[in-house]
Amino acid sequence: KQEVTQIPAALSVPEGENLVLNCSFTDSAIYNLQWFRQDPGKGLTSLLLIQSSQREQTSGRLNASLDKSSGRSTLYIAASQPGDSATYLCAVRGDSYGKLTFGQGTILTVHP
Amino acid sequence: SQTIHQWPATLVQPVGSPLSLECTVEGTSNPNLYWYRQAAGRGLQLLFYSVGIGQISSEVPQNLSASRPQDRQFILSSKKLLLSDSGFYLCAWSPDSGANVLTFGAGSRLTVL
Repeated sequence: KQEVTQIPAALSVPEGENLVLNCSFTDSAIYNLQWFRQDPGKGLTSLLLIQSSQREQTSGRLNASLDKSSGRSTLYIAASQPGDSATYLCAVRGDSYGKLTFGQGTILTVHP
Repeated sequence: SQTIHQWPATLVQPVGSPLSLECTVEGTSNPNLYWYRQAAGRGLQLLFYSVGIGQISSEVPQNLSASRPQDRQFILSSKKLLLSDSGFYLCAWSPDSGANVLTFGAGSRLTVL
């Protein structure tokens, strides 16, 4: 059974810092890995999708990497801003039906 | 472009009452559809998924059921709610083929009293 772990559970940083969120998964047989953002009381917004054959994806200040063999992914956020404050979730897809297994999330607070 | 709608956004129901949450997707055909639940202090748990009309797969035994009466409509139901059914319910869709992005709706917050 796939298990996804995110570290740290919470992170508080001053504005402008670069930061890294970590995600690990136990079964390396995945189709892809997706990073999401969730604001309080809201749904999930997809940030980046990395296919199993890819090593990284970039979107603006966000960069996600994938090391499938070691079961790890990182989300790098450059020059953090207060608007980046949210819960960040990673999820892995393990089958053709598109079912995702989620981590517990990292609660990020960026203070001015 | 594709959009996903969920309603109601919030719901407060007494124990033992019925439930119906609805989800619809626009701008695509034959999507894969999913219901997830996010309970307080817990991660997202997949409840049901559907790859076509009338095809429902349940991931966990529970007090809930799902139906897909039309291609782009997914309904989550219960005949009698339990306190433990409280949570944030999220509908999602993805294209029916390929390793594609999962897109979520805005969610429905259910409180059972």
